[in-house]
Amino acid sequence: EDQVTQSPEALRLQEGESSSLNCSYTVSGLRGLFWYRQDPGKGPEFLFTLYSAGEEKEKERLKATLTKKESFLHITAPKPEDSATYLCAVHLSGSARQLTFGSGTQLTVLP
Amino acid sequence: NAGVTQTPKFQVLKTGQSMTLQCAQDMNHEYMSWYRQDPGMGLRLIHYSVGAGITDQGEVPNGYNVSRSTTEDFPLRLLSAAPSQTSVYFCASTTGTGSTDTQYFGPGTRLTVL
Repeated sequence: EDQVTQSPEALRLQEGESSSLNCSYTVSGLRGLFWYRQDPGKGPEFLFTLYSAGEEKEKERLKATLTKKESFLHITAPKPEDSATYLCAVHLSGSARQLTFGSGTQLTVLP
Repeated sequence: NAGVTQTPKFQVLKTGQSMTLQCAQDMNHEYMSWYRQDPGMGLRLIHYSVGAGITDQGEVPNGYNVSRSTTEDFPLRLLSAAPSQTSVYFCASTTGTGSTDTQYFGPGTRLTVL
């Protein structure tokens, strides 16, 4: 069965304290892995797509990496405005662009 | 562009009532989908459509109907609401160009069934 697991469920950081969020997957035929940010009461907002092992993408303080089994979202010197829930999703080959989501990591950055 | 819009933002229903959640996009996307989000379970796909006149079931389709008469609109119908359908519902659309397949989400509808 295809599975996407995110860890930790919740993470509290001090401002400037770098860390990483993990998304591990057990799927067959990965077509792409997506990271989204979700603020309370809002819809998910697209951050990155990764397609193959070894690929990396960056945006401001965020950097996403991908291996054959997992993806990491590295947050460097976070600020309070980075507080949000970060969602990982996989797009499977032959799935007509359907996404399978993990349950998310709730990040809180304290000033 | 307004992107993906959803109405209403909040809704309270009684068990057995029916209603339609509206979703519209102005990006001329062919692919649209409906998800529900429950605490600790992530987003789960309800129904999706690859174009006008074509719909299919996702992971949790029971109790929901969809139709796609135009490219822009993709309404979700609850036929007879049950407390288990209390959730936050998100509509999404994607470029589907093959280069990124990025899905854009609407702001959500928070539904409570009493």
